Amino acid sequence: QLQESGPGLVKPSQTLSLTCTVSGGFISTAGYYWSWLRQHSGKGLEWIGYIYHSGSSYYNPSLKSRLSISVDTSKNQFSLNLSSVTAADTAVYYCARFTRPHWSGYFDSWGQGTLVTVSS
Amino acid sequence: QSVVTQPPSASGTPGQRVTISCSGSSSNIGSYSVNWYQHLPGTAPKLLIYGNSQRPSGVPDRFSGSKSGTSASLAISGLQSEDEADYYCAAWDDSLNGPVFGGGTKLTVL
Repeated sequence: QLQESGPGLVKPSQTLSLTCTVSGGFISTAGYYWSWLRQHSGKGLEWIGYIYHSGSSYYNPSLKSRLSISVDTSKNQFSLNLSSVTAADTAVYYCARFTRPHWSGYFDSWGQGTLVTVSS
Repeated sequence: QSVVTQPPSASGTPGQRVTISCSGSSSNIGSYSVNWYQHLPGTAPKLLIYGNSQRPSGVPDRFSGSKSGTSASLAISGLQSEDEADYYCAAWDDSLNGPVFGGGTKLTVL
């Protein structure tokens, strides 16, 4: 199981920070990428990026300059930091587990999602 | 706009068979396997089909997937009211160097 946590309201130009806690398994288990996705209101799903337990991370090029994903295997958590946010970053954010290898991978476990609103 | 296209809506009556299409290109569906997700708003999305046509444990065999060239489709037979949800296709994309989703299809059970 995966569970997102973090502030539901972030001011423009600040950093959006979310954490995903993994339960029922170890984040250090081989074969999975730990992922963040988002869904703008009325829109489809957008992959943000993912990280392997070793710390290797891969980002959506459209967000790469503002994005950082980290992993803490001791806490069985991984985190998202998105800097310089604007109203366009208002969305429901999901954490999910993505299987390897990446070219045939799929998201087989998801969090419930958390709404983050960017507003002053 | 997504590089993978789905119809925004689909509908059917209980017991009917409906199909949802997913169209991409050689950089995604044409080269990689397609996965399908079911999403009821306010809940966690659920993996429905992986590897074009494989069902995870627990997914009824009323759901089936197929792929041909740069297109894929999800078929739901024996439509039930609880099938009313949003459905997304997804595949790896070389241009994105990551997984790309279709825009989603809202299925209404009349």
